[in-house]
Amino acid sequence: ETGVTQTPRHLVMGMTNKKSLKCEQHLGHNAMYWYKQSAKKPLELMFVYSLEERVENNSVPSRFSPECPNSSHLFLHLHTLQPEDSALYLCASSQGQVTNYGYTFGSGTRLTVV
Amino acid sequence: GDSVTQMEGPVTLSEEAFLTINCTYTATGYPSLFWYVQYPGEGLQLLLKATKADDKGSNKGFEATYRKETTSFHLEKGSVQVSDSAVYFCALSDNGGYQKVTFGTGTKLQVIP
Repeated sequence: ETGVTQTPRHLVMGMTNKKSLKCEQHLGHNAMYWYKQSAKKPLELMFVYSLEERVENNSVPSRFSPECPNSSHLFLHLHTLQPEDSALYLCASSQGQVTNYGYTFGSGTRLTVV
Repeated sequence: GDSVTQMEGPVTLSEEAFLTINCTYTATGYPSLFWYVQYPGEGLQLLLKATKADDKGSNKGFEATYRKETTSFHLEKGSVQVSDSAVYFCALSDNGGYQKVTFGTGTKLQVIP
């Protein structure tokens, strides 16, 4: 039990579909993150929410749309994706200074776009 | 911008061998440094950290020392086990207000009996 739960674990979607990834944390953390993990590349920070406010959007295409309705939940809405969007999407949370506690990651959603 | 460079894998070792995974970084200011581990089918877990120069982070037999003069944070373990097989990520935090972390590409370690 990592304290950060991501659903679904696996998702296959067509390029015209709309789907959502869900992340939930029960740690009382005040910041949540979406990262994209592709083979042979560093983890790419996509979005950061601090106190439910988006504080970073790293030039992510508009076909990815985040939502943070409260401090415990984070969503990533997907529509008209491309095959190159296939990757492992990781959610993380943190509280206070990352320098002291680091991130807590979920197990990820393995996304395949066909 | 900030960046982290790790040695490319995979690294294959026999059980009880000595492990070193190299990591160097580029950053402005004085970042904090981390090693994360990712076991198959799971997310990343914080393995150890160091927040200032000459600090040594340690956990589960793994160690890494924050070397400011060489901008390095190499991961070491004296005797690896099969259960240590995983992908290891070096990372830094720029101590920004929303706690941004920059990761390396990861190094896959395979330990054979």
